[in-house]
Amino acid sequence: ILNVEQSPQSLHVQEGDSTNFTCSFPSSNFYALHWYRWETAKSPEALFVMTLNGDEKKKGRISATLNTKEGYSYLYIKGSQPEDSATYLCAFRNDYKLSFGAGTTVTVRA
Amino acid sequence: EAGVTQFPSHSVIEKGQTVTLRCDPISGHDNLYWYRRVMGKEIKFLLHFVKESKQDESGMPNNRFLAERTGGTYSTLKVQPAELEDSGVYFCASSSGTGAGNTIYFGEGSWLTVV
Repeated sequence: ILNVEQSPQSLHVQEGDSTNFTCSFPSSNFYALHWYRWETAKSPEALFVMTLNGDEKKKGRISATLNTKEGYSYLYIKGSQPEDSATYLCAFRNDYKLSFGAGTTVTVRA
Repeated sequence: EAGVTQFPSHSVIEKGQTVTLRCDPISGHDNLYWYRRVMGKEIKFLLHFVKESKQDESGMPNNRFLAERTGGTYSTLKVQPAELEDSGVYFCASSSGTGAGNTIYFGEGSWLTVV
């Protein structure tokens, strides 16, 4: 069983504010780290696939960094908008399968 | 291009009945995965197909669960007989390859309630 932890479990952000949250994962046998954005009853939307230590990826106002040596990734949302409200899932991959964290649920207040 | 599609989207069945979930992966994707999220816990891996072959079924909880992918296209996941603890959302996912940089695309899930 691979321990993938996300914190905080939930957070509330005022519209326009920026925020970030963490995913920690085993630092050994690293293959890739995936980030997904999930709204209930919709498909988890693939945001990033990160493979190299020091990777930084960006998609619009959302970006992510990766530190494989210490086993953590940060996801940042800049200038939060109500449509950013969702659960953000990270998933650690050490072979063919993904091990998910419990997610960080973001609620953006207008 | 169509994404991963799953059917049914919702199902309510009685304990002891059988349910079959279907997944159509993205066209051309040889890799197909089943995951599930039960009781509000983390999403967990069930199994992985490469074409029609089961590559890894280490996550299947018990022999009440049977997955098939005849012909290497769509897949079915059958639960027989269903138990209360099987309630949750069953996700199907697919990818074109298994390289580190490959994106794994998920469907909307099949929400199963066993009463």
